[in-house]
Amino acid sequence: DIQMTQSPSTLSASVGDRVTITCRASQNINYWLAWYQQKPGKAPKLLIYEASNLESGVPSRFSGSGSGTEFTLTISSLRPDDCATYYCLRYNTYPWTFGQGTRVEIK
Amino acid sequence: QVQLQESGPGLVKPSETLSLTCIVSGDSISNYYWSWIRQFPVEGLEWIGFIHYTGTTNYNPSLKSRVTISIDTSTNQFSLKLTSVTAADTAVYYCARMKGVLDVWGQGTTVTVSS
Repeated sequence: DIQMTQSPSTLSASVGDRVTITCRASQNINYWLAWYQQKPGKAPKLLIYEASNLESGVPSRFSGSGSGTEFTLTISSLRPDDCATYYCLRYNTYPWTFGQGTRVEIK
Repeated sequence: QVQLQESGPGLVKPSETLSLTCIVSGDSISNYYWSWIRQFPVEGLEWIGFIHYTGTTNYNPSLKSRVTISIDTSTNQFSLKLTSVTAADTAVYYCARMKGVLDVWGQGTTVTVSS
């Protein structure tokens, strides 16, 4: 299986900071990568699909970039409501696999 | 607005079969593919498999010998069966729509495997 390595595992930042989370694939997955936000007790929520496409209704401070094996999720200006765990998902071939998650906290 | 709702027993005994159902509302189950995903207590997510209304399925090889996903278009629902469960199958189980990617998820249902 293609492995996804997500970093960092935890991130602490201040309100207004620019935050970047990285996902690396063990093989080329082109642009078949999505990003999800999960809050405690809730299901993951789709933020970004095909590496850089913003899902409808998601705030524009979220953006995604990358292709091939390296991808990033950026929050341009962190807000308190962004406290959550973020996961990447690669979906180029089956079985689909998720990254280990990045917990984002406010300093 | 499509909504998904998982249902099933919250407690299953070791070696028995876990059975869950996902009811889809607001959309025809014939329009897309549908998946099951689970999340272990320490946050890891695992894709279990998918089904299409034609009956086409694809399962994660890690579970392939134990998992069956079925679909009932007359009731707009699909189901998961996982046999010979152990404590390692304790997780929150989610169903989701596959519109290219997993775009709409149910709220999840917790299943604990314990005697």
